[in-house]
Formats: sequence, C-alpha cells, structure tokens
Amino acid sequence: NAGVTQTPKFRVLKTGQSMTLLCAQDMNHEYMYWYRQDPGMGLRLIHYSVGEGTTAKGEVPDGYNVSRLKKQNFLLGLESAAPSQTSVYFCASSDKRDVPQHFGDGTRLSIL
Amino acid sequence: GENVEQHPSTLSVQEGDSAVIKCTYSDSASNYFPWYKQELGKGPQLIIDIRSNVGEKKDQRIAVTLNKTAKHFSLHITETQPEDSAVYFCAASFAAGNMLTFGGGTRLMVKP
Repeated sequence: NAGVTQTPKFRVLKTGQSMTLLCAQDMNHEYMYWYRQDPGMGLRLIHYSVGEGTTAKGEVPDGYNVSRLKKQNFLLGLESAAPSQTSVYFCASSDKRDVPQHFGDGTRLSIL
Repeated sequence: GENVEQHPSTLSVQEGDSAVIKCTYSDSASNYFPWYKQELGKGPQLIIDIRSNVGEKKDQRIAVTLNKTAKHFSLHITETQPEDSAVYFCAASFAAGNMLTFGGGTRLMVKP
C-alpha cells in the first residue's frame, strides 16, 4: 500500500524555469492538498481540491497552479520559479474535508 | 485569519519523563485541533485530534487537552521513548473553512 507518493523527491531549478510536482494517492480519497514547509513556519496551504475536476486557493496560492484531472492525482505547477519558492512541498490526501490525514514524504525544491 | 503559536520550539527530555507542548490560537470560532508528528525526512503524520466539544482525549501514551476559554490546547506525551523524537505540529481550523493553520513546530528530543 503506497499511500501518497510524490515525485520528484529533489529538484534544483533556475529562476524563471517551470516545473510540475506530481502527487498520487491510492486510497480513493476525495480531498487532496498541497502545502509548503519553511523553517519555523509550520505548513502553509497552497491549493486544495475537494474532488476530481475541482481546485481552490489556500493561504499562499500566488505563483502556483494546480490541476486534478484524475481523482488519484493532484499536480502542482510553478510557471516561472522564483527564489522565494525554495521550500519543501508536501502533498496530502484525506477522506475528511477539514483534515489532511496522509502526507507524502515531500519534494525538496531549490530555486537558484 | 487564524494564528497559532506553539511553544517551546525545542524540548529535550530524558527517556521515561513526560513532555508537554502548548499551542494558543486566536480565532474563537476554531473547533478542530489536530496534532502531527514529523520524523526526519518524512511527511507529517496525524497522531491525535480533538474537537471543541471535548476537553480531553487520550490514546495510549499521548493525550490532548483543550481550554476553549483560554484558547489553548496541549499535547502530553508520557513515558517518553527515543522513538518519540521528532518535530510535532499543532494546528487549528473551523469547520467551514477547510483550512488548517499550523503552529511553527516543536522539536522533541528524547535522550536515552
């Protein structure tokens, strides 16, 4: 049982480059979330989805886009990476609306 | 919006001692308070949660208490073990918001 799988695990980008982070869950959960984790700041919600085909903005959505074309996948895109987006990104899924239950192991992203 | 403060930022205890981590929140409408444990290199793991209609909840060696009047809640770990060493995050949300606000985290170190 894989749970929540994030790819890639590490990535280094140059300012202005674009990339997509992939999250896949095998628990048939309706709710999926993307967070970023920065030192001393806990986790902050970027975007979330309450079901296939839906997305919504979280606390810090600027500079990111998401898509949920299939129920099991939630993609996070950076169109033009900036150094301020250097962070660890976590995806989570849940069968409850207000609580992310299962997290992936994160993607460590550095923007130079 | 909601603001969650967590103390202490680091906590060192001897194996077998108890550990207490405290969080305060600002929004009196918040009614759901989960706690997460994050081991090195892993995503957060939901370990216990409490809703505002309950004052205390226990699960083996961990317990959470909630004081709605004072707007604070605490995580208690008894008989600590080296495998309890991790970063612990508290969070708060209100049901209609679908967004958890996380505290800054507490690094717990249990010395054998």
